[in-house]
Amino acid sequence: QSALTQPASVSGSPGQSITISCTGTSSDVGGYNYVSWYQQHPGKGPKLMIYDVSKRPSGVSNRFSGSKSGNTASLTISGLQAEDEADYYCSSYTTTTTWVFGGGTKLTVL
Amino acid sequence: QVQLVESGGGVVQPGRSLRLSCAASKFTFTTYGMHWVRQAPGKGLEWVAVASYDGGYKDYADSVKGRFTISRDNSKNTLYLQMNGLRAEDTAVYYCAKESSLGNAFDFWGQGTVVTVSS
Repeated sequence: QSALTQPASVSGSPGQSITISCTGTSSDVGGYNYVSWYQQHPGKGPKLMIYDVSKRPSGVSNRFSGSKSGNTASLTISGLQAEDEADYYCSSYTTTTTWVFGGGTKLTVL
Repeated sequence: QVQLVESGGGVVQPGRSLRLSCAASKFTFTTYGMHWVRQAPGKGLEWVAVASYDGGYKDYADSVKGRFTISRDNSKNTLYLQMNGLRAEDTAVYYCAKESSLGNAFDFWGQGTVVTVSS
């Protein structure tokens, strides 16, 4: 199972919005509404930010939103804040009943 | 708040074995599927294995199939990963993660345990 494709890095200024893409295939992202997004700060375990493409767990800011079109999912962060600076990973369930992650995107808040 | 505490990592020679543990608390362990996910140094996350709530279903990434075995002891609220035939490319931080009740995702993660395979 190949990793999902994410941009290596994105950046934005405080208050701006950014979008991180996550491209897979019809066997994973395109085949299921089971895309999730994780935030990881250095030296920490990942934190769930979005599940089932666009749902937010309790406690996650509504500045984080998710969507999907075909084989590409997206995470949008609006009103960027300094604490949003982290690595972000997408994940999807796959037709082989396993899970696959993206390569990760480093978000820099300028 | 859910707690997941991994242990058992260390430095091991290629070809040797290691067993990781993940002690779970503050949730009903017997109700949830549990996963192992790893992260090689400076790299992204890689899903490794899953065990269903009762251990009756297990699945593995192709990269570890036949070498790693996931198991759980629900009487001890503990998840395990038996790693045999270790290779240099298995060097990583290993996280245990709880399956979400809300959807197909991992809603809580441990802090990880470091495995280094080196001669």
